[in-house]
Parts: sequence; structure tokens; C-alpha cells
Amino acid sequence: EAGVTQFPSHSVIEKGQTVTLRCDPISGHDNLYWYRRVMGKEIKFLLHFVKESKQDESGMPNNRFLAERTGGTYSTLKVQPAELEDSGVYFCASSLNRYRNTGELFFGEGSRLTVL
Amino acid sequence: GENVEQHPSTLSVQEGDSAVIKCTYSDSASNYFPWYKQELGKRPQLIIDIRSNVGEKKDQRIAVTLNKTAKHFSLHITETQPEDSAVYFCAAALGYSSASKIIFGSGTRLSIRP
Repeated sequence: EAGVTQFPSHSVIEKGQTVTLRCDPISGHDNLYWYRRVMGKEIKFLLHFVKESKQDESGMPNNRFLAERTGGTYSTLKVQPAELEDSGVYFCASSLNRYRNTGELFFGEGSRLTVL
Repeated sequence: GENVEQHPSTLSVQEGDSAVIKCTYSDSASNYFPWYKQELGKRPQLIIDIRSNVGEKKDQRIAVTLNKTAKHFSLHITETQPEDSAVYFCAAALGYSSASKIIFGSGTRLSIRP
């Protein structure tokens, strides 16, 4: 079974530019999460989708960040315009639906974003 | 909201010795506490978890303890081996349901000295 895949693995952009990160969760996983880790700090929650609906977006930093999950399959996270403090590793994770869930998150390998 | 503090940020132990990582959480309603391990260049993976109805759980060389009164939990690794070198993250969540967000600590970089 394929795991959670993320693209791109690394992106280097200049301040003010736009970047779109993509996540393909494990097939059949209704829950999809976005997290971000800045070097040396916690894996910080950004938002949570249940299928195509945003369950919780309380961790989104500001309106420069836009996440979508059309059709309840893959998700995109767009940063526009990017700022220096947006640099970090963006992790996507998925898990089974609430009725068949062990609580385990399956992570992707992350998308490293560097804003210059 | 929930806040998870994790210590130490780095830990170096001699191969064969034990390692202990400690975490505290703020929301007394949290009842699910997983630990994730991230090896260099790889994705975080669940290694063990504990729910609030037990105080301790073991899986071979790793064990977790939970003190709900004090709101802290710990990861214990015995007889450490080189492959234990990684960044370890503790986390806390409300409920068994995946609908609750999992809040992570800041990570502990564990190095095993040969």
C-alpha cells in the first residue's frame, strides 16, 4: 500500500512569490492534516480535513495560507505571498475515519519550504 | 488550547544505557498520548501510544508512563542501540477519535554514542 506522498520535497522561493504544496493521503483515509515544523520547534498543527470539509483550521497562521481538498482526496496548501517566516517543513498526515481509528497518524516525508 | 512541553531538547547516551524523555501537557481532558520517532531524512512514525485508562505500557525496549494527576508522561528506552538515534516527539490529544487534533511537543534529538 502506498503511503502518504507529498510534493515537492523541497521548494526554494523568494519572498512575495507563491508556492503550492500537494499531499496525497493513504487511500481510504478520511482525515487529512497539515502540520509545520520550524527548526528546533514543535510539529505545529495547521488544519484538519474530514473528507473535503475543514474540521479545524485554528492553526492556520493567517490569510496568506489557503488549503483545499477538493473531492476529499488529495489536498493542496498554497502560500501567497510567501514571507520569510513561512520557511519550515510542511508535513501532511492522514488517518482512518473516526469509527475505525487507532489514533495513528501516517505522515508524509514533508515538503521543505525555504523563503529567501 | 492544549500545550505540550518536552524535555530535554537533546540527549546523548552511551550505547546500552537507558534514555528518558519527559513531556507535560496542559489540558487535563487530554486522554491519548502517542510518541513518534523521526529518523534522519525520514517521516515521523508512531512507535508507541498510551491512553489515560492505563499508567504504563511496554513494547520490548520502550515503555511509556503516564501520570494524569501531574499531567506528565515519559518515554523510556532501555538497552539503547545505534538505531535508536532519532528525533522523538511526544503528543497529546483529546479523545480517541481522529477528529481531535494531536498537539506535538518540540522534539528530543537522541544520539546514541558507540
